[in-house]
Amino acid sequence: GAGVSQTPSNKVTEKGKYVELRCDPISGHTALYWYRQSLGQGPEFLIYFQGTGAADDSGLPNDRFFAVRPEGSVSTLKIQRTERGDSAVYLCASSLSPLSTDTQYFGPGTRLTVL
Amino acid sequence: KQEVTQIPAALSVPEGENLVLNCSFTDSAIYNLQWFRQDPGKGLTSLLLIQSSQREQTSGRLNASLDKSSGRSTLYIAASQPGDSATYLCAVRDNDMRFGAGTRLTVKP
Repeated sequence: GAGVSQTPSNKVTEKGKYVELRCDPISGHTALYWYRQSLGQGPEFLIYFQGTGAADDSGLPNDRFFAVRPEGSVSTLKIQRTERGDSAVYLCASSLSPLSTDTQYFGPGTRLTVL
Repeated sequence: KQEVTQIPAALSVPEGENLVLNCSFTDSAIYNLQWFRQDPGKGLTSLLLIQSSQREQTSGRLNASLDKSSGRSTLYIAASQPGDSATYLCAVRDNDMRFGAGTRLTVKP
């Protein structure tokens, strides 16, 4: 079946603009995760959803970042007033459940560049 | 706060060599440890998942070990091939998933 998909694959924006990044998880996966990966680093956890609710948003760097998953499937990561430091690859992952035994499957990521 | 370190940061070997990648973590209270592969411009592909109660997992030419008490894991790749060239990331799962910075592997033909 289809894996995790993310759109757009690349996004270039100007400082101060608003962006939305979309994640389509694997069908039937209840847990969805967002990560941010800066150049030369491993992914950093941002937020995770169980169903429609954000179960843990402790990784969001500040209140310019927000994510939703209104129907428990597709999720959107929203960044307001973008800054150059937000430039990174944003990865989404999903798993069947949040249990530690369930593997997270990753999407290809969205590369965000803030000029 | 859990910290994950991977050594070396980069490794270049000739085709056919066996090699070991290292991962260490500071807090042994983990649920599991996972090794991923990342190709340039791509997402992560899960290679091996070791639960905290397990000592090792094997898949084909890959073998991953876990010593939770010492905070260490190794990924052993046998008979390396040019197609193994990628960045290898380890991640530990406690309340969140925390990644190391990765080891960039190049296997030369």
